[in-house]
Amino acid sequence: GAGVSQSPSNKVTEKGKDVELRCDPISGHTALYWYRQRLGQGLEFLIYFQGNSAPDKSGLPSDRFSAERTGESVSTLTIQRTQQEDSAVYLCASSLIPSGGRQETQYFGPGTRLLVL
Amino acid sequence: RKEVEQDPGPFNVPEGATVAFNCTYSNSASQSFFWYRQDCRKEPKLLMSVYSSGNEDGRFTAQLNRASQYISLLIRDSKLSDSATYLCARGDSSYKLIFGSGTRLLVRP
Repeated sequence: GAGVSQSPSNKVTEKGKDVELRCDPISGHTALYWYRQRLGQGLEFLIYFQGNSAPDKSGLPSDRFSAERTGESVSTLTIQRTQQEDSAVYLCASSLIPSGGRQETQYFGPGTRLLVL
Repeated sequence: RKEVEQDPGPFNVPEGATVAFNCTYSNSASQSFFWYRQDCRKEPKLLMSVYSSGNEDGRFTAQLNRASQYISLLIRDSKLSDSATYLCARGDSSYKLIFGSGTRLLVRP
């Protein structure tokens, strides 16, 4: 079946512009996550969606970052007034809803490579 | 101290060698741990989950040492195709993953 898809795959933008990144999770996966990966680093958690609500936004770096999800499906991550330090790969993952305190396997999309000039 | 720490490597080993990586974590309450494999410019893919003392899948063995707060990944009879970055992650609450920076493995002919 189809995996997690993300678009665009690459985005080059100028400092100060807004960007919108899209994630299409695996069908039936109610949980959705956004992570950021800087060059040579591990993944940093940004936000977690359970259905259309986000019970944990603790990883969003600043108020320039926001995310929404609709129809328990597509999610968009928006970065306003981009800065050079926002340059990174933004990865989306989806999973079944975690239950019983146990983690469900998170399946990652291919990511969006963002370069802010 | 980082929450999850890994030796960045690279580990450069010949085909057929056995290689082991360690990953240390700082939160003793963590219940679940994961090894992901990430190829260059690709997304991470789950290699192994560890919920108790360890897990084994073919040539790959993960072992958890809660007393010393580390998890290891052992790869036996390494193949050229094992060359990748191996990311360790611990589960934080029931959904969030906290990742290390990864260990790079190069398997040479």
